Order: sequence, then C-alpha cells, then structure tokens
Amino acid sequence: QLQLQESGPGLVKPSETLSLTCTVSGGSISSRGSYWDWIRQPPGKGLEWIGNIFYPGSTHYNPSLKSRVTISVDTSKNQFSLKLTSVTAADTAVYYCARTLVVIPTTPGEFDFWGRGTLVTVSS
Amino acid sequence: EIVMTQSPAALSVSPGERATLSCRASQSIRNALAWYQHKSGQAPRLLIYGASTRATGIPAKFSGSGSGTDFTLTISSLQSEDFAVYYCHQYKDWPQTFGQGTKVEIK
Repeated sequence: QLQLQESGPGLVKPSETLSLTCTVSGGSISSRGSYWDWIRQPPGKGLEWIGNIFYPGSTHYNPSLKSRVTISVDTSKNQFSLKLTSVTAADTAVYYCARTLVVIPTTPGEFDFWGRGTLVTVSS
Repeated sequence: EIVMTQSPAALSVSPGERATLSCRASQSIRNALAWYQHKSGQAPRLLIYGASTRATGIPAKFSGSGSGTDFTLTISSLQSEDFAVYYCHQYKDWPQTFGQGTKVEIK
C-alpha cells in the first residue's frame, strides 16, 4: 500500500520561499506510471491543485502559480519536493501531496493516494 | 479553467437515510470526474473515478453517475463513518480543478 507523508516548516515569513517534501513509501517514485502532485487548501476554502511531476522530470503547473512554483524529485530518498517563492498570507494553507496513476502521460487523472497534509502559515 | 460547482454546500441527513450530492462543470468534462471523502486531519480518500467507477475497497453504498456537465454522488444508508466533506474533481483538462465541497452532517 502506497503511503505519502508531507514534511517541512510550519511557519514561513512573507516574501520567503516555502519548501516542503513528500516522502513516498510502499512504492518507487521513479515509477513511470505515476504523477506526483501537490494540492493545497487555504483555511475555509476549497482545494487547489498546484502542480505535478512525471519522473524523470516532466512537470505541469497551475497557471495561477506557475511563476513561483518548482516541483522536483529525489529518487535516492524516494521523495519529491515543492518550492513556492515570494509567499504571502494568501499562501497559508494545508498542503497535501498525492499520486496520480497515469493512464495517458499527457493528461491528468484522479488522485488515488494522498498524504494527511501539513499546515503552512505565512506570517512574520 | 473549468469551474466545478457543488450543491448543496451542506446536507443534514439522519443515519440510515440516503444522501444525494451534485456537482456541475462549467463545460463538458465527459466522464473525467472523481469524488473524494475527506475527514478532518485525515488524508482525502478516493471514492469514485471515471464518474461512476468505485475505487479499490470502496463499498457499493457509494455510487456515482453523470457525464458531460452534471454529476451525482449517492451515498445509501448513511452510517456514522460517512459523515464528512465530499469533493468532486475534474481531470479532463489542465489545470485540474475541484468543487468547493459538500459537508454531510448528522441530522
């Protein structure tokens, strides 16, 4: 059974870079059949897809965040990471990592495994 | 981007009754729709994909229907463990988008 676990600082200052890591267990992150995704949920609001990576490095990003987001993979640790630059209070959210089982490599799909999420607060 | 609209925002249901949740897409998404159950502090759980296919391990009490722009999730005979927030998600086009959720509460 695949398991995902988010980790990273719970507090980030405005204008700085938010960095999170998702550790994958029960499967290999270098599997060609998976997208590795980041999704977030601001307090009291809905879910927002941030972006994903398809090993070894093909990425898709939400246009609303594309200029500030980088998603990368570390196969040696079986992890993938999110970096979001120039954060503001609007980036305060619970951040989830998830997996998409890829059927057609150029199209999105459903998220079949999720982490529990980690709250990141942007505040000075 | 495709906007997903869920209704109602909240639904009060007595245990043992059926709940019907709706999700509407701003344009046709064919059957590229998934439903998730989310309980506070837990990982969201995939219930339905392809609009009507139950995910692995999901009981038959959960059923999905619809295609194009209008979709429904039906939960029959609600039990205590079914009270949660339910989200729809379209994966027809990038960026993938979610509905705002329907909170199913105990009446």
